[in-house]
Amino acid sequence: EVQLVESGGGLVKRGGSLRLSCAASGFTFSNTWMSWIRQAPGKGLEWVGRIKSKISGGTVDYATYVKGRFTISRDDSKNMMYLQLSGLKIEDTAMYYCTTGFGTAESHWGQGTLVTVSS
Amino acid sequence: DIVMTQSPDSLAVSLGERATINCKSSQSLLSSSDKKNYLAWYQQRPGQPPKLLIYWTSTRDSGVPDRFSGSGSGTDFTLTISSLQAEDVAVYYCQQHYTTPFTFGPGTKVDIK
Repeated sequence: EVQLVESGGGLVKRGGSLRLSCAASGFTFSNTWMSWIRQAPGKGLEWVGRIKSKISGGTVDYATYVKGRFTISRDDSKNMMYLQLSGLKIEDTAMYYCTTGFGTAESHWGQGTLVTVSS
Repeated sequence: DIVMTQSPDSLAVSLGERATINCKSSQSLLSSSDKKNYLAWYQQRPGQPPKLLIYWTSTRDSGVPDRFSGSGSGTDFTLTISSLQAEDVAVYYCQQHYTTPFTFGPGTKVDIK
């Protein structure tokens, strides 16, 4: 069974940093492209970025609004994906979901980890 | 970036009746290489992460009831719930998975009338 478990969320001050983690199990992680999607409280879904598998080049694509503030990485030896958040703004307050789709759209989602940015 | 819009913002439908949600993209989502339209639909119930219903416009994900169907091509797409059930109360999002940055529509809330 595919499982995605996010962690690392919490309360951080504006301008601060945080690293989110996603622990994956139940599939061959190293072959799989992974994504982060976020959702501000009471708002819609917003794509954050995607990291390809190393065999596909390991490249990362980001949403336009990220503008160099966020970094997605992966550790295939640990079946982990990370999202490093820096220069956090109030509007980055959201539930951050780890997702994957095995070549289609996002068919598997974690429960999310909440990031709250305070002033 | 491709901009996704949805209509209506919300709708209320009687149990057993049809619900239709529209989604429009600012650019074509049709791939010239495989002739697929890269449009997905998600359902999000309160307090839950989203669930994938349909991808490539009309392919239902595993376990999705056949009362959910998707159609469309190019820039105009539709999600139809043929006979609304109580458990279908949710917000529905379309997403283009054609080119990064992947983008979502703003969502359509479906309620029981």
